[in-house]
Amino acid sequence: QKEVEQNSGPLSVPEGAIASLNCTYSDRGSQSFFWYRQYSGKSPELIMSIYSNGDKEDGRFTAQLNKASQYVSLLIRDSQPSDSATYLCAVNLTGRRALTFGSGTRLQVQP
Amino acid sequence: DAGVIQSPRHEVTEMGQEVTLRCKPISGHDYLFWYRQTMMRGLELLIYFNNNVPIDDSGMPEDRFSAKMPNASFSTLKIQPSEPRDSAVYFCASSFGSPSSGNTIYFGEGSWLTVV
Repeated sequence: QKEVEQNSGPLSVPEGAIASLNCTYSDRGSQSFFWYRQYSGKSPELIMSIYSNGDKEDGRFTAQLNKASQYVSLLIRDSQPSDSATYLCAVNLTGRRALTFGSGTRLQVQP
Repeated sequence: DAGVIQSPRHEVTEMGQEVTLRCKPISGHDYLFWYRQTMMRGLELLIYFNNNVPIDDSGMPEDRFSAKMPNASFSTLKIQPSEPRDSAVYFCASSFGSPSSGNTIYFGEGSWLTVV
């Protein structure tokens, strides 16, 4: 089992819809979780972090964390074509100071 | 701030040649990371430094890879000899404080390496 797993996609949603991106992790002791966005040919950029169970909202983005299920998700409301990118889930695994990344989910928002 | 600066942005080299990738972290940042990204394996951590000291190099694929950080403003990743399977995008990133404490990692634009 990979330490951080994501469905590679592509996930295709129509403009204005809610996009739901999911990530599971293997280390039950993990405490910090991050979502990065990476446009094609560009570097990853941080969009959200979450540390506690529940939801965290920032504009059109909502991160959801369920530590019991070892599951973190990212919801994008009112999806726009400009949201089309690869979304990387990153986890701070126990005992490591660096982040471990999932392989990413490619999101396509259709106009 | 200029951000994390990497060079070269693109490199095409022949198998067996030495490749040196360079990175200048954001001024004041005390953590520096080297990641490699491929379609097959995603974004993998190769090595990271804290205050110029290598902390974890368990991700370095083999002895052909080496990394140094002689001072707080410069790091290199060297591949010698290079092989076609080393073809990837190599990202350098830095942070002020440990990411495990919630500090943001900032990535450079990457060095696109092709070994033919």
